[in-house]
Amino acid sequence: EVQLVESGGGLVKPGGSLRLSCAASGFTLSNYGVNWVRQAPGKGLEWVSYISSSAIYIYYADSVKGRFTISRDNARNEVYLQMESLRAEDTAVYYCAREEVWPINVDFWGQGTLVTVSP
Amino acid sequence: DIQMTQSPSSLSASVGDRVTITCRASQAISNHLAWFQQKPGKAPKSLIYGASSLQSGVPSKFSGSGSGTDFTLTINSLQPEDFATYYCQQLHTFPRTFGQGTRVEIK
Repeated sequence: EVQLVESGGGLVKPGGSLRLSCAASGFTLSNYGVNWVRQAPGKGLEWVSYISSSAIYIYYADSVKGRFTISRDNARNEVYLQMESLRAEDTAVYYCAREEVWPINVDFWGQGTLVTVSP
Repeated sequence: DIQMTQSPSSLSASVGDRVTITCRASQAISNHLAWFQQKPGKAPKSLIYGASSLQSGVPSKFSGSGSGTDFTLTINSLQPEDFATYYCQQLHTFPRTFGQGTRVEIK
């Protein structure tokens, strides 16, 4: 069974850090790119970051550039999102989603992990 | 950045209705468009990729069309389980951008 499981969310103070993990099972994550997408409470979906299968290509939304770092460990079948200098506006559920290269297809999402940035 | 504009923002429909949601890109994106369904408290679910290709396991009552800047998602014979929020996303370039969502409610 294909699964993506996010972990690492929680409550953090403004200016703090968190590392999210996205663990894959039931398939070989190294064959896929991975996106992080977030959703603030009551809001729509916001794309955050992407890492290609071999980590050659990495992209960030302007809202997180310079504060978030995406990485992957294909041996562990995991992708990470290191989040620094967190702000209240980073409060959201964070989802990872796998992406096929061709045809371009974001076909499977994890269940999400909640990050709350609050004093 | 490419802006994605969905319309309407919300709609009310009855069971059995046919519903159409539109998504417009601020510049041409070929057919690099996906549609997702999200129910309250749940993760998004992929419905369509490549503007018109159905994800495996998605019922054929969902269909997508369009190319360039204008796209549509059609849901035939609306059922109770189809009441949800639907998002489009362009996969043409980075940053990837989503439409603001269309909430489909029961009339």
